[in-house]
Order: sequence, then structure tokens, then C-alpha cells
Amino acid sequence: DVKVTQSSRYLVKRTGEKVFLECVQDMDHENMFWYRQDPGLGLRLIYFSYDVKMKEKGDIPEGYSVSREKKERFSLILESASTNQTSMYLCASRRQGAGNSPLHFGNGTRLTVT
Amino acid sequence: AQKITQTQPGMFVQEKEAVTLDCTYDTSDPSYGLFWYKQPSSGEMIFLIYQGSYDQQNATEGRYSLNFQKARKSANLVISASQLGDSAMYFCAMRDYGGSQGNLIFGKGTKLSVKP
Repeated sequence: DVKVTQSSRYLVKRTGEKVFLECVQDMDHENMFWYRQDPGLGLRLIYFSYDVKMKEKGDIPEGYSVSREKKERFSLILESASTNQTSMYLCASRRQGAGNSPLHFGNGTRLTVT
Repeated sequence: AQKITQTQPGMFVQEKEAVTLDCTYDTSDPSYGLFWYKQPSSGEMIFLIYQGSYDQQNATEGRYSLNFQKARKSANLVISASQLGDSAMYFCAMRDYGGSQGNLIFGKGTKLSVKP
């Protein structure tokens, strides 16, 4: 089974802090994604990466950056955390190519910015 | 732009009964894929079922089936013989072939509660 692991389940940070959310997958997937989930809004794409060192902006990239130095690891960075970034963050990966290959998700990181 | 609409914020179903969760989509691309995910209170997103736009038959996976009506642009999830463990959020999603390398566009979800 594909395993996508997010380093923290819960995080509490202060406004202005630099925050790193880590995600690791063990199935050699090319594509990796970061979503945020808010009640009533569903999942919204922040950034994605289709290969090492490659990244593309999603629908809501403002205030975030990402890093993919190794194929298995995709990091989301909040340069200066703000209270409106309090949310559930979900990392996902998939094998590139097959149109029917689903996204495999981690368990999520619930971030609170105070 | 592609869009997924789930019009039922919440639904109740009696244990052992069947339930249909609605999903409509909008796309101008003739080639697309539709997915359903389950999210229990624990937070993990669990893939349930997939339907491709060119698939001739409706997808089925155990107690899950997808009522795919292409002309109406709907892809409703049917859960047969509901169980208490089916209580969760359910998300319909569509694969965006517009260049985002497999990104899924998600609806806002439906919260299903199964009553004993």
C-alpha cells in the first residue's frame, strides 16, 4: 500500500513564525500536492510538483512556498504565518501517467496560528 | 473552468439502507475522470471509486457504485446497505487534464450520518 506520511498531526504556531510542513511518500510517485481544507470550501490546491525540483502554483499559493529536493519529500513552507492560514493541510501523491490513478493522501496536519 | 458541485451539505440514512450522494460536474474537456473520496473524523482521505468519461459501464467497488449520467453531467455515489462506519464526509472530485499534472478539483463535500 502507498504510504504518505505527514510529519505532524497537530501544530500550533505564532503569527510571523516560519512554518515547515513535511510530507514523505514511499511509492516513488512523481507527482506530489499540497491542499488546504476549510469547512464549507472543500480542498483547495496550494502547490504541486511533478518532479524533483519542479513546482507549480495551484489555486491559492499566496503566502506559501514549497521545496522538493528529493523525489519522496515535498515540503510546504509558510514564510510568515498568519491567522488566516489556520487550517487542515493535506499532502498527496500519485503516479504520473495513468489518468485513473488516484491521489493518495496523508493523514493531514491541523495547523493553528495564534 | 472545471467545477464540481455537491448540493447536499449533510444527509442522514438509516443503517442497512441505501443512500445516494449527489455530484454534478462541469467541463468542456471530453476526456476526464471522476473520483469519490471518504474522509472519516480521523481526517484521512480514502479513495473509494473512479469513473472515466469513456467508460461504458458504471463503476462498482463492493458496496459503492457510481451512477454516471454523462448527458446530465452527474456522477452520484450510491452506498448500499449503509453501516455505522460509513458516517463521514464524502467528496466528489474531477481530474483536471488542463496541465496540472493530475490535480483533482474537489467539491465542498457531503456529511453523511448513519443512524442505528
